[in-house]
Amino acid sequence: RKEVEQDPGPFNVPEGATVAFNCTYSNSASQSFFWYRQDCRKEPKLLMSVYSSGNEDGRFTAQLNRASQYISLLIRDSKLSDSATYLCVVNILTSYGKLTFGQGTILTVHP
Amino acid sequence: NAGVTQTPKFQVLKTGQSMTLQCAQDMNHNSMYWYRQDPGMGLRLIYYSASEGTTDKGEVPNGYNVSRLNKREFSLRLESAAPSQTSVYFCASIDPGHTEAFFGQGTRLTVV
Repeated sequence: RKEVEQDPGPFNVPEGATVAFNCTYSNSASQSFFWYRQDCRKEPKLLMSVYSSGNEDGRFTAQLNRASQYISLLIRDSKLSDSATYLCVVNILTSYGKLTFGQGTILTVHP
Repeated sequence: NAGVTQTPKFQVLKTGQSMTLQCAQDMNHNSMYWYRQDPGMGLRLIYYSASEGTTDKGEVPNGYNVSRLNKREFSLRLESAAPSQTSVYFCASIDPGHTEAFFGQGTRLTVV
């Protein structure tokens, strides 16, 4: 079983739609959680951290359920510019910070 | 403010050739990483370095070696390239609080 699993999609949605991505992780020692965004042929960049209480950044909402070992990302009012691959990332805190990546979920927002 | 600088951006090798991918960061981070990214596989950790002078194997280290030359630089070497090493390689460093990883722009390597 992969340590971090995501639905690879692709998700194709119209502008203005709401879309949700899910992610599960297998290591209960995981201590911090993130969503990264990767544009085509570019490097991944941090989109947002995910906190136990849930957190929101504009149109983006992230949720964490530690009991179910589940992370989600909700995008409201999708824009064309949201088209990208979204990577779920889990950190098992060690002296070096081990980041484990899901395989990514591809989102395409169309007019 | 360059962040993480990775060279080269593109490379084509013949099977059996060797090469070194260079990575440097100017953020004074201790931890640095090399990942490879293949379609449908996400990013897989090849090697990491928790601090200057230390390196350890990640998930897929076979066929690679690394050197942490100093705090800024962390290089990845392919001694005898194989077609299975065709991939996109990313170098990254992480801030001391382990809250964000910063990536280089990637190296697209093709082994023929």
